Amino acid sequence: QKEVEQDPGPLSVPEGAIVSLNCTYSNSAFQYFMWYRQYSRKGPELLMYTYSSGNKEDGRFTAQVDKSSKYISLFIRDSQPSDSATYLCAMSGGNQGGKLIFGQGTELSVKP
Amino acid sequence: EAGVTQSPTHLIKTRGQQATLRCSPISGHTSVYWYQQALGLGLQFLLWYDEGEERNRGNFPPRFSGRQFPNYSSELNVNALELEDSALYLCASSSWAWADTQYFGPGTRLTVL
Repeated sequence: QKEVEQDPGPLSVPEGAIVSLNCTYSNSAFQYFMWYRQYSRKGPELLMYTYSSGNKEDGRFTAQVDKSSKYISLFIRDSQPSDSATYLCAMSGGNQGGKLIFGQGTELSVKP
Repeated sequence: EAGVTQSPTHLIKTRGQQATLRCSPISGHTSVYWYQQALGLGLQFLLWYDEGEERNRGNFPPRFSGRQFPNYSSELNVNALELEDSALYLCASSSWAWADTQYFGPGTRLTVL
């Protein structure tokens, strides 16, 4: 079993839709949770960073962490064609020695 | 503010050769991380350098090695290249105070023929 599971998709939605992306994990030591966006043939871009449980909002993006369920989510409101990319969840704990553990990534396509 | 830079953008080598990839971190960042993103395998942690020292290593053979220079830039060396080393190699940097917030560069695409 992988430490972090993420549905690879692909996920296709119409422009303006609300998108929900999710990851589950098994290591209860994880405390730091991140979402990255990666366009084709580019490096990952940090979107959201959350420590421990709770919600964080930044513009059209909301990140949620539920440590009791070992489940994290990223919501994108009013999705745009420019949001079409692969979204990667990543996480780490204090004992990971700098290592981020990534999900496989979900490929999202927003159709105009 | 300039982000993480990597060179070269693309690198083509043949089996058995050596590859050298370079990375310059964000100004003020002292930690550099290397990841491999191979098709179908996701991002896999390779190495972490901080203050010139190797701090952690992922599950990769010793022919993957690197170093960090006094200006905090870093180099990844891959010896005795194998076909399965073909991948996007990503460098990330962070300031030690926020060790888990890693910012990535655009990557070097290595193709081994």
